[in-house]
Amino acid sequence: DGGITQSPKYLFRKEGQNVTLSCEQNLNHDAMYWYRQDPGQGLRLIYYSQIVNDFQKGDIAEGYSVSREKKESFPLTVTSAQKNPTAFYLCASTPGGSNQPQHFGDGTRLSIL
Amino acid sequence: RKEVEQDPGPFNVPEGATVAFNCTYSNSASQSFFWYRQDCRKEPKLLMSVYSSGNEDGRFTAQLNRASQYISLLIRDSKLSDSATYLCVVNPSPNFNKFYFGSGTKLNVKP
Repeated sequence: DGGITQSPKYLFRKEGQNVTLSCEQNLNHDAMYWYRQDPGQGLRLIYYSQIVNDFQKGDIAEGYSVSREKKESFPLTVTSAQKNPTAFYLCASTPGGSNQPQHFGDGTRLSIL
Repeated sequence: RKEVEQDPGPFNVPEGATVAFNCTYSNSASQSFFWYRQDCRKEPKLLMSVYSSGNEDGRFTAQLNRASQYISLLIRDSKLSDSATYLCVVNPSPNFNKFYFGSGTKLNVKP
């Protein structure tokens, strides 16, 4: 089955630690995205990538980093500079073209220990 | 001003009721519009795309009003299983894929 796989489902971060969230897709989609969702809030864009080896900051990129070395993979690192990392993180992809909707992975919940 | 705005609700309706949500967007050049459904602690799932001519999928009807810059979602004959948060999503640019999400409208369908 084609889809987007995020792992882990739950993640705990210690103070001063960097953690990496995995996002893999086998949909052959060009564009990939990372969002953050806080309780009762909408999705906010962290980073997005439209092609391999290229990515752009979203609205809340501070304290996060990404890479796009392969078309199917778009990992997100939450660095120690992100002081309030507790949230639900969602990865999405689109095939390209402005009229195509996004497909989402089932998310990673990150909490601080 | 936010790119996309929605009434957070909650909308509390009885089973069988008809309910409608609106969503306004700020960029008049916006090209693509979608409604997603999000259940508690789950990822958003595409409900329907919104086309200029409007579109219908079973009990769900979506409309676009470009003059007033809003999209709407109508749910007829509400079911208990329709209880969820409904997210409005807008892609404002024809040149690249960047999506803006509303904060969502919560719907509770009661027996």
